[in-house]
Amino acid sequence: DSGVTQTPKHLITATGQRVTLRCSPRSGDLSVYWYQQSLDQGLQFLIQYYNGEERAKGNILERFSAQQFPDLHSELNLSSLELGDSALYFCASSIGTTDTQYFGPGTRLTVL
Amino acid sequence: AQKITQTQPGMFVQEKEAVTLDCTYDTSDQSYGLFWYKQPSSGEMIFLIYQGSYDEQNATEGRYSLNFQKARKSANLVISASQLGDSAMYFCAMREPLRGGSTLGRLYFGRGTQLTVWP
Repeated sequence: DSGVTQTPKHLITATGQRVTLRCSPRSGDLSVYWYQQSLDQGLQFLIQYYNGEERAKGNILERFSAQQFPDLHSELNLSSLELGDSALYFCASSIGTTDTQYFGPGTRLTVL
Repeated sequence: AQKITQTQPGMFVQEKEAVTLDCTYDTSDQSYGLFWYKQPSSGEMIFLIYQGSYDEQNATEGRYSLNFQKARKSANLVISASQLGDSAMYFCAMREPLRGGSTLGRLYFGRGTQLTVWP
């Protein structure tokens, strides 16, 4: 158990819908990263937060957004879902930006 | 963009034998970090081992060791005494390099190597 929690574990929804994925980092970790894992793209960095502030954006679609709250948990919002958004979404956390990232169990999103 | 190459889509090893999983990376920076993660069929990503670019000694963590050859830009994972539970996908990753003393820290991943351990 990495200490990073993600909910829900599985999510099945329809095209055009909006979902929210939740992540709670390890106690004491200030950095939160979101990654997407798909068969064709592999593991791709989406977005990073550090102590409540957005620090970096990667290959994140405009339909996706995220935030980190004062208690440091983070949410990834995916809207206008398409079939191609089906993937495993990971949250990872680290103390700072030079420390090892520990991954949550992931949320498997299926868009039908 | 940083690039990680894992040339072995699949590897097979017999139980109790050692196996090496290859990883090469591409960066012009001097300060960076290299990681290996394990992903079993259940899906979670498990941190295995870390090597800093300035570390003079190869990293070791139990049965895992990292064969770091900086000049060749390779960071191969060696698993000794393989166990059936080692069967999983293994990912090599590089942390975004330090520039000006700081980094955003995001990871760049290779495509992974599927390791199968047979009895």
